[in-house]
Amino acid sequence: QSALTQPRSVSGSPGQSVTISCTGTNSDVGAYNYVSWYQQHPGKAPKLMISDVSKRPSGVPDRFSGSKSGNTASLTISGLQAEDEADFYCCSYAGGNTFVFGGGTKLTVL
Amino acid sequence: EVQLVESGGGLVQPGGSLRLSCAASGLTLSNFWMYWVRQAPGKGLVWVSRIDGDGIRVGYADSVKGRFTISRDNAKNTLYLQMNSLRAEDTALYYCAKGGGGLMDVWGEGTTVTVSS
Repeated sequence: QSALTQPRSVSGSPGQSVTISCTGTNSDVGAYNYVSWYQQHPGKAPKLMISDVSKRPSGVPDRFSGSKSGNTASLTISGLQAEDEADFYCCSYAGGNTFVFGGGTKLTVL
Repeated sequence: EVQLVESGGGLVQPGGSLRLSCAASGLTLSNFWMYWVRQAPGKGLVWVSRIDGDGIRVGYADSVKGRFTISRDNAKNTLYLQMNSLRAEDTALYYCAKGGGGLMDVWGEGTTVTVSS
């Protein structure tokens, strides 16, 4: 159950697009379409942004999108806004009724 | 409004035990998978455990297997995490979350567990 690999930080200017990668193995990300993404503002509980690789829950802006290729999942945020600044975590089902999170990525809106 | 409220955290000595609770309102817990996720101070999210709606299928992170037990009382609409043989590295904010097979869509605010002598 090794953590998924995410970049420690990404940044972009308002209006730009950024992509956060999440690399696992063929036992987790590569094996299942159960990749989800969570946004966490400081001192707050995480919020589901993307489920099942690319599904956006009701209420999440369509600026957020998810995809997967092989063992790497990605979260893309287009039209960056100041309120997007937060920590983002990917999570994947890893078989055997277990899950694994990524180490988290700090998004800075310049 | 759907709400999850965790309780039961506190300060405990290494080797001690705690039982966390997660009370649900605005939803019927038995319809959902339930999860525990923890976050050490200044660190990232770590998945701990999950249980299905019937309480039959459970899963644990390797780091807590054999020490933690997840359970639920659907009549009380409450999720539990029994934590035994606690270690310093178990110190964290513990969140409960409701979800589906592969996602966690409603989270509580967490309860803090500190393991220290």
